[in-house]
Amino acid sequence: QVQLQESGPGLVKPSQTLSLTCTVSGGSISMGGYYWSWIRQHPGKGLEWIGYIYYSGSTYYNPSLKSRVTISVDTSKNQFSLKLRSVTDADTAVYYCARYDVGAEGNDGFDIWGQGTMVTVSS
Amino acid sequence: DIQMTQSPSSLSASVGDRVTITCRASQGIRNDLGWYQQKPGKAPKRLIYAASNLQSGVPSRFSGSGSGTEFTLTISSLQPEDFATYYCLQPNTYPFTFGPGTKVDIK
Repeated sequence: QVQLQESGPGLVKPSQTLSLTCTVSGGSISMGGYYWSWIRQHPGKGLEWIGYIYYSGSTYYNPSLKSRVTISVDTSKNQFSLKLRSVTDADTAVYYCARYDVGAEGNDGFDIWGQGTMVTVSS
Repeated sequence: DIQMTQSPSSLSASVGDRVTITCRASQGIRNDLGWYQQKPGKAPKRLIYAASNLQSGVPSRFSGSGSGTEFTLTISSLQPEDFATYYCLQPNTYPFTFGPGTKVDIK
């Protein structure tokens, strides 16, 4: 079955760029019907959708983060990535990658999640 | 943005209890509503999609209902492994938004 695994630095300095990669195994990232997503969770708080990408490269971002976010896909490596620029301590969170299931009517939500990776912004 | 609210924010219940959690959307979202269970230190797990469809492998004691702006998640007979935090998600309108969560703990 499809599995997702996040990787990247656990510590990022303020004003720098947070970079994470999600590796997809057990299936192709190029399969139709799914978007590949990033979601974060601040410590002890709720969930915030960051954005997602289709294998073709089409992206949608949360407007609250859009000016600082880039999500990209590498189909040859079966990976997709997140870059968040100019980070502050408000970006300290657990970052999850997840598969968004378009489903029959386009809106079935996130069906598979990675285990999450904690990223701390600190000097 | 569509605001999602959940009630209650927390509840205490016993094994075997029937538990109902409500999620409300600030505007109509058809049946575009999912329910997720999260245990401490773990990723969320999808339980319900499209308001009432049970995710494969999820026990049948979980059920969802609703449409438009009001939705419910029901656990018919609470089991020890069900103590967790539950979130609703609206994937109807960008940006997708989650509810603030309902923590279910042991009475």
